[in-house]
Amino acid sequence: AQSVTQLGSHVSVSEGALVLLRCNYSSSVPPYLFWYVQYPNQGLQLLLKYTSAATLVKGINGFEAEFKKSETSFHLTKPSAHMSDAAEYFCAVRGEGGAGGTSYGKLTFGQGTILTVHP
Amino acid sequence: GAVVSQHPSWVICKSGTSVKIECRSLDFQATTMFWYRQFPKQSLMLMATSNEGSKATYEQGVEKDKFLINHASLTLSTLTVTSAHPEDSSFYICSARVGQDTQYFGPGTRLTVL
Repeated sequence: AQSVTQLGSHVSVSEGALVLLRCNYSSSVPPYLFWYVQYPNQGLQLLLKYTSAATLVKGINGFEAEFKKSETSFHLTKPSAHMSDAAEYFCAVRGEGGAGGTSYGKLTFGQGTILTVHP
Repeated sequence: GAVVSQHPSWVICKSGTSVKIECRSLDFQATTMFWYRQFPKQSLMLMATSNEGSKATYEQGVEKDKFLINHASLTLSTLTVTSAHPEDSSFYICSARVGQDTQYFGPGTRLTVL
């Protein structure tokens, strides 16, 4: 079964600084990986996804992530943090198996990383 | 983009009562919806997969008789928490799947059981 591990439950950066949120995955098959953002008391919004095409994936709000098979990583970055980026970020991996399988389409989420942006 | 709504957004109920939460895909149809539970400061845990026209499939450890799921149409799935107790207090989030890779999430429902 797949899993994702997010290193660091809290990350704090200054406005304008680089944002780096770490995610490592475990999967026996080429994974489909996702980053979601959650603002307080809201559902999740998709930032970007990796589906075995380009290893560098660009998402919304200036975020991007690079899939590195050798490191089993899918870290999320943004060159310059903005106050509005403060939120909780979740890395997720899609379940293995094809249509009809019990894991088809299911997402397994990491523990989440709370990003704080200081003025 | 696709929009998923949940109703109510916030509910308080007494212990022993049942609460129904609705999840709707507003501008698209979804044969599959997922229900998640999120405890404070924790990640989302998948509870069950809701399939239109068939029985829901529950994750291990989730009581199907306590968390009743009905996916009556291609745009509506409901989760009923029966005989709710304080330990059921949580943030419940649904999502609707489009294709194989994309899930659109609802805004969540915060349930507080007194």
